[in-house]
Amino acid sequence: QKEVEQNSGPLSVPEGAIASLNCTYSDRGSQSFFWYRQYSGKSPELIMSIYSNGDKEDGRFTAQLNKASQYVSLLIRDSQPSDSATYLCAVNDYGQNFVFGPGTRLSVLP
Amino acid sequence: GAVVSQHPSRVICKSGTSVKIECRSLDFQATTMFWYRQFPKQSLMLMATSNEGSKATYEQGVEKDKFLINHASLTLSTLTVTSAHPEDSSFYICSADRGRETEAFFGQGTRLTVV
Repeated sequence: QKEVEQNSGPLSVPEGAIASLNCTYSDRGSQSFFWYRQYSGKSPELIMSIYSNGDKEDGRFTAQLNKASQYVSLLIRDSQPSDSATYLCAVNDYGQNFVFGPGTRLSVLP
Repeated sequence: GAVVSQHPSRVICKSGTSVKIECRSLDFQATTMFWYRQFPKQSLMLMATSNEGSKATYEQGVEKDKFLINHASLTLSTLTVTSAHPEDSSFYICSADRGRETEAFFGQGTRLTVV
């Protein structure tokens, strides 16, 4: 059974701080990794995708992937109250469905 | 980015009735669509994978006779919740896949309440 694990949180950080979200996955065959943000009552929206080991930066967001450790993380710099949401980690292997983690609730305190 | 439209966004129905939810890919052809269910404060749980022109593949524990999926074209998949019960009340979300290594594009979701 393919599994994706995340701390459920809530993770609380003060405004302006760095929020660090972590995710581990069980299937070594996983090739594609995604971070989605989901506001309450809304569908998930893509924040970052990463396919190779290392860091990928996009604005205030940095995704980090370590396939040897089966670990992927998302860093949010200069956190804003509007970043408060549930962050879902998802993995995919070629041609298969996405497997989502349980999500981490992030709360950015003004 | 690609657009997936899901309709309706909210529906309230009586126990025992059926509800149909539509999922359309508006600007691309989706060979595969996925249907998820999300209960409050829980993650998305895949219900079934829908491939155009063939029968859907259901996840373990999902009743295929209760959750009817039809993927009649490359841009439309429907989920029909038959003989709905209050425990079917949930947030149903579809997503469409453009191909390998691309992200899933989600519809807006449908909040189903069975009374």
